[in-house]
Amino acid sequence: QVQLQESGPGLVKPSETLSLTCTVSGGSISSYYWSWIRQPPGKGLEWIGYMYYTGSTNYNPSLKSRVTISVDTSKNQFSLNLSSVTAADTAVYYCARVGGYHSPPSSWGQGTLVTVSS
Amino acid sequence: EIVLTQSPGTLSLSPGERATLSCRASQSISSSYLAWYQQKPGQAPRLLIYGASSRATGIPDRFSGSGSGTDFTLTISRLEPEDFAVYYCQHYGGPWTFGQGTKVEIK
Repeated sequence: QVQLQESGPGLVKPSETLSLTCTVSGGSISSYYWSWIRQPPGKGLEWIGYMYYTGSTNYNPSLKSRVTISVDTSKNQFSLNLSSVTAADTAVYYCARVGGYHSPPSSWGQGTLVTVSS
Repeated sequence: EIVLTQSPGTLSLSPGERATLSCRASQSISSSYLAWYQQKPGQAPRLLIYGASSRATGIPDRFSGSGSGTDFTLTISRLEPEDFAVYYCQHYGGPWTFGQGTKVEIK
């Protein structure tokens, strides 16, 4: 059974870049889509973007100018970079596996809280 | 962008009762691209239903989804203690969007 684990700094300063990595175990990163989703404390879910293992991407239009999702197939990992962060980017960030194009995320990591504060 | 509006915001029910949760889309969407999730405190969301009515692997048959066009429903036929949680609907046919959630709490 595939498992996903997010890792990265829990505190990021305003205007800096938030960087997270999702490590996939129990299965190959190839042949699937991979996504990032976030949830501000006490609020609902917001899609950030997804990518295919080949590197093609699709981002939330409201975040597109600040988001980069990339993959490292040799390490079975994919990553999120979110630039120019503000306090509004404080959230639990989840990585997830997507079964295919136009499929919902079916396997999720446990999530990691990232706080944006000076 | 498809906006999903869930109602009610909170549903207060007792174990054994039937729960009916609504998700309304701002425009007609294909039922192929509507999902429901359950989220408990401190946990990641869990996929319950995809394609509006197909249960995900391992999901009990007391969970069922229905609907088409702009109106979709998640029904829990008999609430078990572990079903008290927040439920989200999601559209994944274009830019993904989520509803704001419905909390099912113990009455």
